[in-house]
Amino acid sequence: DQQVKQNSPSLSVQEGRISILNCDYTNSMFDYFLWYKKYPAEGPTFLISISSIKDKNEDGRFTVFLNKSAKHLSLHIVPSQPGDSAVYFCAASGSNFGNEKLTFGTGTRLTIIP
Amino acid sequence: KAGVTQTPRYLIKTRGQQVTLSCSPISGHRSVSWYQQTPGQGLQFLFEYFSETQRNKGNFPGRFSGRQFSNSRSEMNVSTLELGDSALYLCASSLTGSEYQPQHFGDGTRLSIL
Repeated sequence: DQQVKQNSPSLSVQEGRISILNCDYTNSMFDYFLWYKKYPAEGPTFLISISSIKDKNEDGRFTVFLNKSAKHLSLHIVPSQPGDSAVYFCAASGSNFGNEKLTFGTGTRLTIIP
Repeated sequence: KAGVTQTPRYLIKTRGQQVTLSCSPISGHRSVSWYQQTPGQGLQFLFEYFSETQRNKGNFPGRFSGRQFSNSRSEMNVSTLELGDSALYLCASSLTGSEYQPQHFGDGTRLSIL
């Protein structure tokens, strides 16, 4: 049972435009959500997170939006840069079953076209 | 500030052997989690240690075990290796293991079983 889903395996965006990566979850007990970026042969790098008491969190070019009623979150990258080309994972955890147990989506490969 | 360090980076073993992987967390971080990444199953949670105690465990057989030392360094052991254990094993650390603390990952140990 895939509790965190990233339905787009890949996404291509022109440099300078907005990249929007989407993530859906099914477990209503999740209350903390994170986005990670992963380059080949490296571990995931933490990008940004959001708790369920918020609906938006911003950090530089990265903004995460959370829609609890739809069980949906998205990551916006503006403007997109070539160095943003990587695999992006969303992850979720819940205080009820262990904050450190992250459940990951399957990832979306983002390619920024120069 | 040094990141999460995992050793070795690459390991080749044969079926039936056992293996020990090592993880040094970010200085000051007390929670260490382990994940397995495979092409078929994605990133899956193995277990988490905090103050030398296992606090949470994923759905893996008892062949997978771990421990944490007083300096927060952690080791993961897999006994009676099977072909399906071939994977990237990732270690992540966080500050206190409490709510809303992002985990920071090492670059992983690539384990290949022949």
